[in-house]
Amino acid sequence: DVKVTQSSRYLVKRTGEKVFLECVQDMDHENMFWYRQDPGLGLRLIYFSYDVKMKEKGDIPEGYSVSREKKERFSLILESASTNQTSMYLCASSSLSLAGWETQYFGPGTRLLVL
Amino acid sequence: KNEVEQSPQNLTAQEGEFITINCSYSVGISALHWLQQHPGGGIVSLFMLSSGKKKHGRLIATINIQEKHSSLHITASHPRDSAVYICAANFGNEKLTFGTGTRLTIIP
Repeated sequence: DVKVTQSSRYLVKRTGEKVFLECVQDMDHENMFWYRQDPGLGLRLIYFSYDVKMKEKGDIPEGYSVSREKKERFSLILESASTNQTSMYLCASSSLSLAGWETQYFGPGTRLLVL
Repeated sequence: KNEVEQSPQNLTAQEGEFITINCSYSVGISALHWLQQHPGGGIVSLFMLSSGKKKHGRLIATINIQEKHSSLHITASHPRDSAVYICAANFGNEKLTFGTGTRLTIIP
């Protein structure tokens, strides 16, 4: 079974703090994704990585950065947290395929509150 | 613009009823996904399809490429089916575009 884990289920931070969210997958997947989920807006892609040290911006990358130094680990960094970054953050991974799309496997999510 | 729309936003039904959730998309897609999210947040992939129909237990997913439309059906619904169901699409690459979800509540 694919397992995607996230470092925290709940996190409370103060405005201006640097925040690290970590995601680890154990299925040797090439692709990893960071999403945020807000009521009424659905899931939106923040960043996508298709290989170690490779990344692509998603739909809402502003205020975020990412790091992928090892294949199994994908980190999301909020450089200076703001209240509008209060949200549910979900990580996902998928294998590479010739077709270009595969089932994505999601972590349990981190609910972040920025005060 | 790549868009995915779902209906209804909320659905309440009695146990045993046949459930249908609809999804439409704006332009041609590579694949369509149905996902389930239970309270607490975890998301599970139910189906990935690019044509025809798939069935898993009481769940059935269909897609009509010409009409740019997909449906998720649940037969003999049960309270444990209560969840948010999310439709998502690949528009030619690995990235998914998501609908806003349908909150399903099944009353015993």
